[in-house]
Amino acid sequence: DSGVTQTPKHLITATGQRVTLRCSPRSGDLSVYWYQQSLDQGLQFLIQYYNGEERAKGNILERFSAQQFPDLHSELNLSSLELGDSALYFCASSVGWAGDQPQHFGDGTRLSIL
Amino acid sequence: TQLLEQSPQFLSIQEGENLTVYCNSSSVFSSLQWYRQEPGEGPVLLVTVVTGGEVKKLKRLTFQFGDARKDSSLHITAAQPGDTGLYLCAGRPSSNYKLTFGKGTLLTVNP
Repeated sequence: DSGVTQTPKHLITATGQRVTLRCSPRSGDLSVYWYQQSLDQGLQFLIQYYNGEERAKGNILERFSAQQFPDLHSELNLSSLELGDSALYFCASSVGWAGDQPQHFGDGTRLSIL
Repeated sequence: TQLLEQSPQFLSIQEGENLTVYCNSSSVFSSLQWYRQEPGEGPVLLVTVVTGGEVKKLKRLTFQFGDARKDSSLHITAAQPGDTGLYLCAGRPSSNYKLTFGKGTLLTVNP
């Protein structure tokens, strides 16, 4: 058990819809990272928050947004969903903000767009 | 273009065999991490290497960081079915602080 909790585990929705994925980091971790994993692209970094502030951006689409709340949990919002957004979405957390800190991953949310 | 290239992409072997998987780049990395991901779960960190030429051992797994800090390898001795999973390397380039993942090697160890 990594200590990182992601909900929901599975999400099925239709094109054009909006969904929210939730992540609770490991106790004591201040950084939260969001990743998208697909068969063809592998694990792609989307965005990082550290102690409530956006720290780094990766390949995140404009239709996607995220935030980290004062209690350090984070939400990833995906809107105007397209078939290509179907993927596994992982949240990870670490103590600090630097990229070489060990990251602890949740078990992911599997998003299926019909 | 993938910053970290992992090979082979797929590997299927019999229990008891040895294997090596590779993680290569043209960029220099401050550090490199190896993760294993099992079906239905998130990646789990196995090791971090930070010094060029460094070798770390974790039971039957041996990790090596290249002298120039551009590549790494993972060698498994006497593979077991429990070693089955997706092995991901991830590195922090010297030029920034973001962690970048390779696409992984999917290892299947057959009983």
